[in-house]
Amino acid sequence: QVVLVESGGGVVRPGTALRLSCVASGFAFSAYDMHWVRQVPGKGLEWVAILSYDERNNFYADSVHGRFTISRDISKNTLFLQMDSLRTEDTAVYYCVRGIATGIYRGYLDHWGEGTLVAVSS
Amino acid sequence: DIVMTQSPDSLAVSLGERATINCRSSHNLLYSVDNKNYLAWYQQTPGQPPKLLIYWASTRGSGVSDRFSGSGSGTDFTLTISSLQAEDVAVYYCQQYHSTPVTFGGGTKVEIQ
Repeated sequence: QVVLVESGGGVVRPGTALRLSCVASGFAFSAYDMHWVRQVPGKGLEWVAILSYDERNNFYADSVHGRFTISRDISKNTLFLQMDSLRTEDTAVYYCVRGIATGIYRGYLDHWGEGTLVAVSS
Repeated sequence: DIVMTQSPDSLAVSLGERATINCRSSHNLLYSVDNKNYLAWYQQTPGQPPKLLIYWASTRGSGVSDRFSGSGSGTDFTLTISSLQAEDVAVYYCQQYHSTPVTFGGGTKVEIQ
């Protein structure tokens, strides 16, 4: 079965960096788009970033563009989110999500990890 | 960006009764090339990540109970739970994947009355 396990969250100061990881199993990792979606505790869902299955395309929400970088290591079936220049408003649970592509940078999200909490606070 | 607006924000329904959640898009989600509505629904039970319920506006996800059904086209969509069970207590989100970036509705909380 599809399993996505995130790690790397924690409490950090504003302006610092953090790298999230997501280990995928149970499917052909290289054949799927992968996304990061975040959720402020008690609030709604916000899409953050996508990496296309062939790594040719990535796209970011305006709120993180230029600060966050999505990447992957196929040999380790691992997705990453490098988060630089963190702000208090980046505080959220970050979910690693498998996407079913329906177009460039688009699709529905069929499997979600349990999430990892990032708290940015001074 | 396409704005997704859900209503109501919350609703309380008796066990066994019908629950109806609405989702309106600021843009037509029906793609003329394939005649499909690019809309999905997700269920998030307390303490859990979201789970895909419905895609293409009306296609149930793998293993999803037939109590859940999706309908609508264009800009107006509905998620219906035909006979509410205790395990259906959750927040439900709609999501459009017609345009980039994909966007979510604000969520509708369903509780037992």
